[in-house]
Amino acid sequence: DAGVIQSPRHEVTEMGQEVTLRCKPISGHNSLFWYRQTMMRGLELLIYFNNNVPIDDSGMPEDRFSAKMPNASFSTLKIQPSEPRDSAVYFCASSSRVVEQFFGPGTRLTVL
Amino acid sequence: GQQLNQSPQSMFIQEGEDVSMNCTSSSIFNTWLWYKQDPGEGPVLLIALYKAGELTSNGRLTAQFGITRKDSFLNISASIPSDVGIYFCAGLAYRGGSEKLVFGKGMKLTVNP
Repeated sequence: DAGVIQSPRHEVTEMGQEVTLRCKPISGHNSLFWYRQTMMRGLELLIYFNNNVPIDDSGMPEDRFSAKMPNASFSTLKIQPSEPRDSAVYFCASSSRVVEQFFGPGTRLTVL
Repeated sequence: GQQLNQSPQSMFIQEGEDVSMNCTSSSIFNTWLWYKQDPGEGPVLLIALYKAGELTSNGRLTAQFGITRKDSFLNISASIPSDVGIYFCAGLAYRGGSEKLVFGKGMKLTVNP
């Protein structure tokens, strides 16, 4: 079975550029989560979708961040414009219920 | 807010030793989970606990849901080199009108062969 798929695995960009991270959840899962992981703050939930609808985006840092889930098999997290403080590992996770979430391998983002 | 405090933050042990790690909170959680993260990978669920006082094993791993619902511990027995990684506790919280997982900062485990 394919797990959660994320792309790209690594992204290096310059400050001010737009960054788009992609996620394909596990088939049949109806919940999708975007997390950010840093040394200082650990794992933080950014946004949570249920049945493709954003349920809670209170963790999204600011208006530069946006997330979409156009269908059950695809989601994007966009940062525009990117800043050096956005450098982190971004994880996508999916589940059939909130509790048992399955994480993707993550995208390591570096903003220079 | 609902935060989880994990201790210790790191441990260095010899292969074959047992290790115990703890997670506490000032808030009550109705579900506790333990995840492991290998370098360069996402966290993987190890054990989920759903009832206060519950003791659950998964191979060499044993976890307990504290009776006060404010803490949990994870034990690893007879450690092996592949146990190396970061272990996270997580609690299911109801916040802002929805349920979500709150994660501890993690405990980095090093196992010396």
